[in-house]
Amino acid sequence: GAVVSQHPSWVICKSGTSVKIECRSLDFQATTMFWYRQFPKQSLMLMATSNEGSKATYEQGVEKDKFLINHASLTLSTLTVTSAHPEDSSFYICSARSLLAGDEQYFGPGTRLTVT
Amino acid sequence: RKEVEQDPGPFNVPEGATVAFNCTYSNSASQSFFWYRQDCRKEPKLLMSVYSSGNEDGRFTAQLNRASQYISLLIRDSKLSDSATYLCVVDPNYGQNFVFGPGTRLSVLP
Repeated sequence: GAVVSQHPSWVICKSGTSVKIECRSLDFQATTMFWYRQFPKQSLMLMATSNEGSKATYEQGVEKDKFLINHASLTLSTLTVTSAHPEDSSFYICSARSLLAGDEQYFGPGTRLTVT
Repeated sequence: RKEVEQDPGPFNVPEGATVAFNCTYSNSASQSFFWYRQDCRKEPKLLMSVYSSGNEDGRFTAQLNRASQYISLLIRDSKLSDSATYLCVVDPNYGQNFVFGPGTRLSVLP
């Protein structure tokens, strides 16, 4: 099946710093990538949808200036959490969709962010 | 009303038991439906897609009732390795967005 990687798998940073998370589709071209956030004991919540070469579409309540998304190529999307605060601590998961793979989304292994 | 609702759980069942999960969705125009499983601190993994005619994959059977906007997952002869959170996922617009249910946690006990 299709493989999606994320880097880093976990990160601890100080409040006020910025953190970049990479999401890569390793064996297919991802026309669309999605970024989710999951707090403990809660389900995944979609943050934004990004299409290669265009601006991301953010869900209501997600600050686009705080969560910067860049989808520069068909295999790479990045999420930058700017000026991170402890409440941003969460499990961030990306997924990728290929037109060739139908409606399925393939998930990365997630990045656990802890802001101290 | 939430877009996707599931049994609150948790379900604690003995090995070999049959367990059923229920899910309802609010958007009648939804197009695709899936069951994912998520292990603790891991990403969701696709368990199976759900088709209108119902479909089976080994010990797992999924059913869809569009009129009732209801999806189910049946696990027969449950194994210890089935312990996970099961997520009902609804795609209202052909892959443009997935809406996840809150999940139902299953613990299969020896």
